[in-house]
Amino acid sequence: QVQLQESGPGLVKPSQTLSLTCTVSGGSISSGSYYWNWIRQPAGKGLEWIGRFYTSGSTNYNPSLKSRVTISVDTSKNQFSLKLSSVTAADTAVYYCAREMGIAASIDYWGQGTLVTVSS
Amino acid sequence: DIQMTQSPSSLSASVGDRVTITCRASQSIRSYLNWYQQKPGKAPKLLIYTASSLQSGVPSRFSGSGSGTDFTLTISSLQPEDFATYYCQQSYSNPRTFGQGTKVEIK
Repeated sequence: QVQLQESGPGLVKPSQTLSLTCTVSGGSISSGSYYWNWIRQPAGKGLEWIGRFYTSGSTNYNPSLKSRVTISVDTSKNQFSLKLSSVTAADTAVYYCAREMGIAASIDYWGQGTLVTVSS
Repeated sequence: DIQMTQSPSSLSASVGDRVTITCRASQSIRSYLNWYQQKPGKAPKLLIYTASSLQSGVPSRFSGSGSGTDFTLTISSLQPEDFATYYCQQSYSNPRTFGQGTKVEIK
């Protein structure tokens, strides 16, 4: 059973960089036809896709965030990470890491989510 | 970006009711449409993928249909545990986009 767990600071100051890590257990992050995603959800609002990387090393980002986002992977730790720079209050949200099945292109495993608040 | 529009935004229903939620894409997404259920404080859960395939472990009262731009999620007989918010998502192209959600409440 694959499990994903987000970790990182729950409070980030405006203009700083938000950094989160997703630790994957129950399967190797570098095997299989999977995309590893970051998705966020402001309180009381809908879901916004941030971006993803594929096991081949390629990445895709939401154009609305592309200039500020970096997704990277550490296969030795079976982790992938999100960095979002120059944050504002609008970046306050629950951040989820998730696995996307390559063929069906649907997200079958999600982390529990972590709340990140941007505030001074 | 492909815009996903769900209707209704919310609905009230009783246990045992048949419930239908629709999702419309701003352009054809073939069958690359997924449905998720989200309960308060929890991560979304995959119900239906590629428009009509039932995810393993999901009760058969959930079904999906459609292709191109118009899709439907149906709950054949609403159960107490089905009160939640439902989202559609297109996986045809990047950026992935979600509908705004449909909240199913108890009547």
